Formats: sequence, structure tokens, C-alpha cells
Amino acid sequence: QVQLVESGGGVVQPGRSLRLSCVASGFTFSSYAMHWVRQAPGKGLEWVAVISYDGRKKYYADSVKGQFTISRDNSKNTLYLQMNSLRLEDTAVYYCAKDPYRRGVVPANNWLDPWGQGTLVTVSA
Amino acid sequence: SFELTQPLSLSVALGQTATITCGGNNIGDINVHWYQQKPGQAPILVIYRDTNRPSGIPERFSGSNSGNTATLTISRAQAGDEADYYCQVWDSSTAKFGGGTTLTVL
Repeated sequence: QVQLVESGGGVVQPGRSLRLSCVASGFTFSSYAMHWVRQAPGKGLEWVAVISYDGRKKYYADSVKGQFTISRDNSKNTLYLQMNSLRLEDTAVYYCAKDPYRRGVVPANNWLDPWGQGTLVTVSA
Repeated sequence: SFELTQPLSLSVALGQTATITCGGNNIGDINVHWYQQKPGQAPILVIYRDTNRPSGIPERFSGSNSGNTATLTISRAQAGDEADYYCQVWDSSTAKFGGGTTLTVL
């Protein structure tokens, strides 16, 4: 079955960088767009970014535009989120999630399913 | 930008029907998706494209969307339905989530 496993979270000082990874299995990773979504402690869900199946199209939330970069390596079945100049408010659990349509257009009015278990990023001095 | 409004919390008696709303300007004109999130767990999809249930989601979960309100309805509520529920739409190339509704089953 589809499985998404995030890693790379941890404690980082403000202003530093961190790269998250999401390893996918159980489906043809190279055929599906992928998303990152985050959730600050005790708060709701916030969509972060999406990347097309071939990596050519990327879209970001205004809150992370210019600060975060989404990318993928289809040869490794891995999605990435490069986070630079981290701020206290970037503290959150970061989830990766799969788009539903094979070689689908992004952006589209699509849902996210399934989600990984998340990785916690804590930005603290 | 498109704003989604959900009630912060909702209580329902065991076996009764819970109705969770997601308000937005002419939200009936766009697709709405719903997620369930239990404490310490990742969200799971319960309704997509307004009314569709993924495989494995009980028939007790249903959705509708019209005018300025999308609705997630949980019939015959069970203790296991206690969770946070989020609606989600797309607006100007970005995905948006509602603030979430905490459902308590009494």
C-alpha cells in the first residue's frame, strides 16, 4: 500500500536551515504531484507547497515563498523541503501528502491522500 | 484571499448526527475536501469533491456543498469519531484549510 515516511526534523536555531525528506513507496512516485503541509503545535493545518510529478511546476504558500524550496528526486522516490532562514513561527509538524491523479495538472482542485506520519521541526534559540 | 470559517467545537450525543460546517463566499462553486485528524495522528481524507467517500470510510460520513456553506455530516456518531475535522479548498494556486472543528461525542 502507499506509504510516505518523513524525516529530517529536529531542533534548529533561528536563521539556520534544514532539509526535510519524504520517502514514498507503494505507488509510482514519479507519476504524482506531491505536497507539504505543516501544523504548528496546537494549531490547524497549513498547506506549504506542491510540486508537479515531473518537478517542473512548484507552488508555495505566501508565508514561505522565497524561504522554502520544494523539490523531488524521482530516481530515489523522495520528496524534499529545503527550509532556509528558519523563524520561530516555522515550528511545526511537517507532513508530506500525495496528489490523487496520475500525471495530474498542478495546481488543481485536488485533495491530499494519503499523508505521512509527519516530522517535527522546532525552531528555538 | 478565500477565507474558510469553521466552528471551533461541536458536541454530539452518542448515536446522533453531527453536522460540521465550512463557510466561504460562494464555496458551493468550488470543490471541498474534508479530513479527520485524531490526536497524535496524521490527517486522513474522509470526503473529497464535496460528496465522495474514499474506500474504507464508513457510509455514516457524507458531504454536501451549496451556496456559502459546505457541510460534513456524521450520522450515528460513535466515540471513535471524536477528532478534529478540517475542510480544504484551492484558491489562487494555493490550498487553503479551514481552522478546524473539534468534535466531541458525549
